[in-house]
Amino acid sequence: KAGVTQTPRYLIKTRGQQVTLSCSPISGHRSVSWYQQTPGQGLQFLFEYFSETQRNKGNFPGRFSGRQFSNSRSEMNVSTLELGDSALYLCASSSGSLGSGRTSYEQYFGPGTRLTVT
Amino acid sequence: GNSVTQMEGPVTLSEEAFLTINCTYTATGYPSLFWYVQYPGEGLQLLLKATKADDKGSNKGFEATYRKETTSFHLEKGSVQVSDSAVYFCALSERTGANNLFFGTGTRLTVIP
Repeated sequence: KAGVTQTPRYLIKTRGQQVTLSCSPISGHRSVSWYQQTPGQGLQFLFEYFSETQRNKGNFPGRFSGRQFSNSRSEMNVSTLELGDSALYLCASSSGSLGSGRTSYEQYFGPGTRLTVT
Repeated sequence: GNSVTQMEGPVTLSEEAFLTINCTYTATGYPSLFWYVQYPGEGLQLLLKATKADDKGSNKGFEATYRKETTSFHLEKGSVQVSDSAVYFCALSERTGANNLFFGTGTRLTVIP
């Protein structure tokens, strides 16, 4: 099976611009989660999408948004970029099936998109 | 709330040395616990996991036991190799929640020949 893919891998944007990052999960996985990784704050959960619905959300401002398509691919958008948004953005996919009785699911991470805001 | 505290590091060991990276957690309910590894320039890879108390996760010579009484999930390996050099993250997910993982700050391990 192909792994989680993220595009682009590297991105440079200017403060005030907006950016869209893309994530394609492992085939058959319906859950996509996004994380931000910075040297200062470490790894922080942004949000999770399952079957095109946001199922969980972390503590980030409304400038960070996302969506999921019917093929489970997900995009995250950051508007009005700030210097502090420079980070590695990681996407993770899992089966995340509801009603399976399991309470935790293995998440498989992509290589990330390195965003630099200047 | 949920949080994970792990040994900050960096940790430098000689090849074949014994490794311990401490991890303790605070959680509501009964979380699942994970160790992830991040090699330079790559994303995170699941190293091992444990979903209930006294479970032992193991993979590639690494082990960790879910200790509810001490709220710990320490990572150990009996004999490290240069190829184990990476950053190791301890993480938890809520039992009743979805797929949001709470991560520790990561511990950088360097193994020298």
